[in-house]
Amino acid sequence: GIQVEQSPPDLILQEGANSTLRCNFSDSVNNLQWFHQNPWGQLINLFYIPSGTKQNGRLSATTVATERYSLLYISSSQTTDSGVYFCAVVFSGGYNKLIFGAGTRLAVHP
Amino acid sequence: DVKVTQSSRYLVKRTGEKVFLECVQDMDHENMFWYRQDPGLGLRLIYFSYDVKMKEKGDIPEGYSVSREKKERFSLILESASTNQTSMYLCASSLPIEAGAIQYFGAGTRLSVL
Repeated sequence: GIQVEQSPPDLILQEGANSTLRCNFSDSVNNLQWFHQNPWGQLINLFYIPSGTKQNGRLSATTVATERYSLLYISSSQTTDSGVYFCAVVFSGGYNKLIFGAGTRLAVHP
Repeated sequence: DVKVTQSSRYLVKRTGEKVFLECVQDMDHENMFWYRQDPGLGLRLIYFSYDVKMKEKGDIPEGYSVSREKKERFSLILESASTNQTSMYLCASSLPIEAGAIQYFGAGTRLSVL
């Protein structure tokens, strides 16, 4: 069936380390978004990236639509990066219905 | 900036009560959505609306209804709250998919049904 899979499920880093989060999806997409959910539950938009590469400060993302995966890079991690990172997609023909992955829980320790 | 506002951050209700969760967006978005988030189950779509007075069922509509009388407001209604509806509820809005369709989320409402 239609799936969005994220890896790793959990990640523990020391402050200053770099990391890569992966999102695999099972079909062609019209929309792919990366979110950070903070400890209060707010989902914060990081990237809208159905294809290509984008950068925003210490974060960058790449989606290779033909190979059905997206990567989120976090460089020089900080404790404020802690939380859950979600990848969510709208599959082609899915009428803007976001399908979420299970998330990657990141803990950054000082 | 897009703002999606949910009326309550925390809500405690009793079994059998009728519960209204309100969501307002200020960006003239056509599409609005209600999700719930549960540990181990992730975020799941309850209902969405692509226009005033229009609604579509999502993946888990049972026990819920919605109302969209004005473009900026989308209400989720629990007709008779039950303990299995204790959850985090998230509202989102977006332009139509052909216009980019980034979904923007509110801060969430943590509902406890006792």
